[in-house]
Amino acid sequence: NAGVTQTPKFRILKIGQSMTLQCAQDMNHNYMYWYRQDPGMGLKLIYYSVGAGITDKGEVPNGYNVSRSTTEDFPLRLELAAPSQTSVYFCASSYRGGGTNSPLHFGNGTRLTVT
Amino acid sequence: DQQVKQNSPSLSVQEGRISILNCDYTNSMFDYFLWYKKYPAEGPTFLISISSIKDKNEDGRFTVFLNKSAKHLSLHIVPSQPGDSAVYFCAAIPSGTYKYIFGTGTRLKVLA
Repeated sequence: NAGVTQTPKFRILKIGQSMTLQCAQDMNHNYMYWYRQDPGMGLKLIYYSVGAGITDKGEVPNGYNVSRSTTEDFPLRLELAAPSQTSVYFCASSYRGGGTNSPLHFGNGTRLTVT
Repeated sequence: DQQVKQNSPSLSVQEGRISILNCDYTNSMFDYFLWYKKYPAEGPTFLISISSIKDKNEDGRFTVFLNKSAKHLSLHIVPSQPGDSAVYFCAAIPSGTYKYIFGTGTRLKVLA
């Protein structure tokens, strides 16, 4: 049971380039999330999804896009990379979503540097 | 607007003693609180949670206390072990939402 798998682990982008961060889970979880972690700033929610075909913005969605065509996959797209997007990105999933005893399961992160 | 705050960026404790990590929040609509532990180069892992209708929850060496009037949450680790050295995040979920709001983290170092 792999849990939440994120690829790639590391990436360096030039300003203006695009890329997709991949996230897949094999736990049949309905709810999936993307967070970014900046030094001293904790984890900020970028986007989340409550099921296939349904996505919604979190605290810091600008500069990102997501899609959820299947239950298993929740890719995060950066269209025009900027230095402010240098961060560690974490994907997470849960069975029931917030407000219930259903904690988030996290992947090991993607470290992205934009120069 | 930081709704969940961990005001101590770091904490050092001797092995065998109690570690107390604190978390304050501003939103009275949070109805579920969680603690996560994070090692370097790994994702956070779930430790313990508490519903807003309770004031204490225990799981082995870990106890979470909730003081709703003070909007304060704490995690007690007794006894502390060197393997507990990690960054600890508190998180909260606003009622009726699916969003987990995280604090900024506290780095715990347990000295052998």
